Amino acid sequence: QVTLRESGPVLVKPTETLTLTCTVSGFSLSNPDIGVTWIRQPPGKALEWLAHIFSNANDKKSYSASLKTRLTIYQVTSTSQVVLTMTNMDPADTATYFCARVEGGDAGGWLDPWGQGTLVTVLS
Amino acid sequence: DIQMTQVPSTLSAFVGDRVTVTCRASQSINSWLAWYQQKPGKAPKLLIYKASTLQSGVPPRFSGSGSGTEFTLTISGLQPDDFATYYCQQYNRYRAFSFGGGTKVEI
Repeated sequence: QVTLRESGPVLVKPTETLTLTCTVSGFSLSNPDIGVTWIRQPPGKALEWLAHIFSNANDKKSYSASLKTRLTIYQVTSTSQVVLTMTNMDPADTATYFCARVEGGDAGGWLDPWGQGTLVTVLS
Repeated sequence: DIQMTQVPSTLSAFVGDRVTVTCRASQSINSWLAWYQQKPGKAPKLLIYKASTLQSGVPPRFSGSGSGTEFTLTISGLQPDDFATYYCQQYNRYRAFSFGGGTKVEI
């Protein structure tokens, strides 16, 4: 059974760096055809894609253009974890953060399954 | 990045209705489009990928069509369990993904 679980702080202060971890099971991060992505959803608003990774090589990662300067994504294959860091947090970054598996190989990119999400609040 | 425009943002319907949601891409995405259903407090659930391929376990009343820049999600015979918010997503693993703004299907 494939599962993903997000973990990280519930509360961060403005200007701090957020570090979120997605722990996966049921598949291997060493498989180059499968990736992991991060998405967020502010309360009551739409989904926003943040970043995805297929390996730690730079050409196998992609970032949202609007957040690229603040995001870093990497994976630790030995512990089955994908980490997302976001610098200079602001109250506007308050959201539920989801990770999901990227399916479909070379011509793919659909997301299944998703983790349950973790709510991060930015408050001084 | 490719922009995805979803219409309408809200849709009111009755049980049994046929409803259609449209998603438009700012440039051609071939058939690299997925649809998701999200209920309050839950993670999204994959319904359709490659624009028209039904995910395993999803009822056949859901269907998708389109290619290039215009896509539709159709629910034929709306059921009480279908009242939710629906999102489209464009993908290409070699570049950025993006989502539409969502369509809330209300009773």
